Amino acid sequence: AQSVTQPDIHITVSEGASLELRCNYSYGATPYLFWYVQSPGQGLQLLLKYFSGDTLVQGIKGFEAEFKRSQSSFNLRKPSVHWSDAAEYFCAVPVGLSNFGNEKLTFGTGTRLTIIP
Amino acid sequence: DAMVIQNPRYQVTQFGKPVTLSCSQTLNHNVMYWYQQKSSQAPKLLFHYYDKDFNNEADTPDNFQSRRPNTSFCFLDIRSPGLGDAAMYLCATSRGGRNLQETQYFGPGTRLLVL
Repeated sequence: AQSVTQPDIHITVSEGASLELRCNYSYGATPYLFWYVQSPGQGLQLLLKYFSGDTLVQGIKGFEAEFKRSQSSFNLRKPSVHWSDAAEYFCAVPVGLSNFGNEKLTFGTGTRLTIIP
Repeated sequence: DAMVIQNPRYQVTQFGKPVTLSCSQTLNHNVMYWYQQKSSQAPKLLFHYYDKDFNNEADTPDNFQSRRPNTSFCFLDIRSPGLGDAAMYLCATSRGGRNLQETQYFGPGTRLLVL
C-alpha cells in the first residue's frame, strides 16, 4: 500500500533560517504527493502538490518541494522561515477508494515546526 | 469567503450522550469526508460521501454515523461517545474523480471533549 513517512517528529528553527522537512514515500510507480500545513487548532491547508513533470514544485507561502525518485523523497523547503510558519506539517499520498473512484489521503505522522527568535 | 465551515468549533459532551457535528460547504463539491485526528496524530479517514453514496472505512466503529441531506451539508453523529472519542474532527471536500489529483479542502475542525 502507498504510504509516506516523516522521520522528524519535531524540528526547531531560528526565524530567518532555512528549513527542510523530510518526507519519504513507499510506492513502486511515481506517486502523487501533497504537503499540508495545520496551524494550531485549525484545519489543514494545502501547501503544494506533485503529480508529474517538473520535480521542483512551488507552493504557497514561499514553500517549495522537490521530488527525488532516487531517494524516494519529497522534501519541503523554505529559504527563510517566519514566526508564522510555526505549525504542524503533513506529507500525504492519495489512495484510491475502489467504490467510487475517489481517493482518501493517507498522511504521514507529521512534523511539528517550532520557530525561535 | 469560508469554503468549508464546521460547527461548533468546540463541543463538550458527556460520556454516552449522543452528539452531532456539522459541516457545510460553499464549493459545490461532490465529495465530503470526515477525518478523526487525535492529539499529535495524523488525520484518519472515518467515511466519505460521493453525492449521496456513503462509503465507510473498514475500521470505523459502528458508534460513528454520518448523514448528508444535501450537497452542502454533512453531519457526523457519535451515538455513544466514549473517552477515546475525544479528538479533532475534520471535514473536507473535493470535486471527486478517478485521477487521484483532486485537492481536498479542509474545514477548521471541531474539537470534541468527552467528560
